[in-house]
Amino acid sequence: GAGVSQSPRYKVAKRGQDVALRCDPISGHVSLFWYQQALGQGPEFLTYFQNEAQLDKSGLPSDRFFAERPEGSVSTLKIQRTQQEDSAVYLCASSFAAGGGPDTQYFGPGTRLTVL
Amino acid sequence: AQSVAQPEDQVNVAEGNPLTVKCTYSVSGNPYLFWYVQYPNRGLQFLLKYITGDNLVKGSYGFEAEFNKSQTSFHLKKPSALVSDSALYFCAVSYPGYSSASKIIFGSGTRLSIRP
Repeated sequence: GAGVSQSPRYKVAKRGQDVALRCDPISGHVSLFWYQQALGQGPEFLTYFQNEAQLDKSGLPSDRFFAERPEGSVSTLKIQRTQQEDSAVYLCASSFAAGGGPDTQYFGPGTRLTVL
Repeated sequence: AQSVAQPEDQVNVAEGNPLTVKCTYSVSGNPYLFWYVQYPNRGLQFLLKYITGDNLVKGSYGFEAEFNKSQTSFHLKKPSALVSDSALYFCAVSYPGYSSASKIIFGSGTRLSIRP
């Protein structure tokens, strides 16, 4: 079946521009996560949705970062007034269950954001 | 704070030889442990996980990992390496009882290189 998809795969933005990154989770998955992966590092948690509810946004680095999942399926991560330090790969993951630590998360291919 | 460490940035193994990629975690309750693999320009792929029970966990592509509570380790192993195993490997941990999400905490990654 279809896995997690993300678009665009690559995004180049000029500093100060706003960007929107899209994630289509696996159909029927309740939980959706966003991670940020800087070059040469492991992914770091940004935010978590259970259906349409954003239950944890403790990892968002600043108020320029905003995420939504209005209908409990597709999610958008928006970054306003992009800065060079925002350059990274943004990964989306989904899992079947609500919360629950042992549930496997399935990752999309990521969006590579480069801010010039 | 919960964390996971991968002490080796790179592991080099000859094809056909056994391989081990090391991982240790900080102690806080009973963790759930994961291994993911990342190929170039692709998202993270789930390999295996430990939840409870048998300390030896078998996963995809012939990989296995052994949970050792006394040493707080979860090393990834394979009896006979293939060139196609060359990739970036991430160890990760999540914890039960996390109130609102099952976010995963990733290690910094180990690059596995298998030479023919």
